[in-house]
Amino acid sequence: GAGVSQTPSNKVTEKGKYVELRCDPISGHTALYWYRQSLGQGPEFLIYFQGTGAADDSGLPNDRFFAVRPEGSVSTLKIQRTERGDSAVYLCASSLGLAGLNEQFFGPGTRLTVL
Amino acid sequence: EDKVVQSPLSLVVHEGDTVTLNCSYEVTNFRSLLWYKQEKKAPTFLFMLTSSGIEKKSGRLSSILDKKELSSILNITATQTGDSAIYLCACGGSNYKLTFGKGTLLTVNP
Repeated sequence: GAGVSQTPSNKVTEKGKYVELRCDPISGHTALYWYRQSLGQGPEFLIYFQGTGAADDSGLPNDRFFAVRPEGSVSTLKIQRTERGDSAVYLCASSLGLAGLNEQFFGPGTRLTVL
Repeated sequence: EDKVVQSPLSLVVHEGDTVTLNCSYEVTNFRSLLWYKQEKKAPTFLFMLTSSGIEKKSGRLSSILDKKELSSILNITATQTGDSAIYLCACGGSNYKLTFGKGTLLTVNP
């Protein structure tokens, strides 16, 4: 597609529920990133994929968070047993994946609200 | 730990004013500094700077990197109300992650 797309744009869930957030990167971009942005903060890195593999998941806050990219294109961020502190905007970005050249293009994000 | 600091955190100006936004960084194996504009949700890419002293320009926006001072500035001349947004500075090292500052909230009043 023309840009990075994310679905849903908004998600409201109850504490303890499971959620999945989807990201469609720019066609041809091998690198995909997930970030989380809380109010008044810049985006914070969660996980990076190069192709199908998670090259670095060091930013995931705990084992309730998991992400996959099974065919090297679309990625899903999964959050189990959601907590109120998970409420944030989850941003996905993609890039050509060239080492050291980090021009990343962002999607519109998913605003997650955990009640 | 990599760190990016932006100043000011917020700024209110009148249309037609010129503004300068600042970004300083401490990043291991620094490779690039990026500026994004964020309205509503998606940060939109403005500039990527890799070389010191070379100005990048797009319309009324320009930016320059100073690797000696570990900093960058983003200038906006003849501001318009449509320039109102959060401006994010981010740095990339030899890895792939971007480390972001908290952003500068710019409000341009008519």
